[in-house]
Amino acid sequence: DTAVSQTPKYLVTQMGNDKSIKCEQNLGHDTMYWYKQDSKKFLKIMFSYNNKELIINETVPNRFSPKSPDKAHLNLHINSLELGDSAVYFCASSQDLSGAPTYEQYFGPGTRLTVT
Amino acid sequence: QKEVEQNSGPLSVPEGAIASLNCTYSDRGSQSFFWYRQYSGKSPELIMFIYSNGDKEDGRFTAQLNKASQYVSLLIRDSQPSDSATYLCAVPGGGADGLTFGKGTHLIIQP
Repeated sequence: DTAVSQTPKYLVTQMGNDKSIKCEQNLGHDTMYWYKQDSKKFLKIMFSYNNKELIINETVPNRFSPKSPDKAHLNLHINSLELGDSAVYFCASSQDLSGAPTYEQYFGPGTRLTVT
Repeated sequence: QKEVEQNSGPLSVPEGAIASLNCTYSDRGSQSFFWYRQYSGKSPELIMFIYSNGDKEDGRFTAQLNKASQYVSLLIRDSQPSDSATYLCAVPGGGADGLTFGKGTHLIIQP
């Protein structure tokens, strides 16, 4: 009965590869997010997406692209992986209220990506 | 550029005492404030949010907001060893309409 789920939990891959992380929420929320938590535990927003708009943090390389097949899913695709992409990636979701996110976000369990 | 500052700690508090966690923010226009708890190896978990100046209590937790001083705090009464975790302060915004997080305060409750 997981609210926000992610797969895989661990991902080990080599530089230059392309990989995807899947995220699903069963909370009926309107907005979904991807965050990156680096080795120093600093948690940083990458993307937010609802059924109307994708908002990209300008600091995110265009090798990263979110894709949403439907309201309950927001997958993260990463091309040409680099060593610096190693981190924990968290998916999150929140409900909208009057057309705006409430920012009370619920996080998935995280995917630990290791690039070798 | 929104910024959220927290003392990284570790903050060590004896069991049963009050733990006080502090956070300052740069954007005077911020309207809502969130406290998340993150256990080692786990995902952040929302524990409190506050929108208005003053105090908001929820069980052993009290959030305090002072918008004039751009300061928000979290008090944990009757601290338990299970409260040992990293506490993250967050405000909306930050380049992708998500949350901007502080770097977190590592809290240790000593039995």
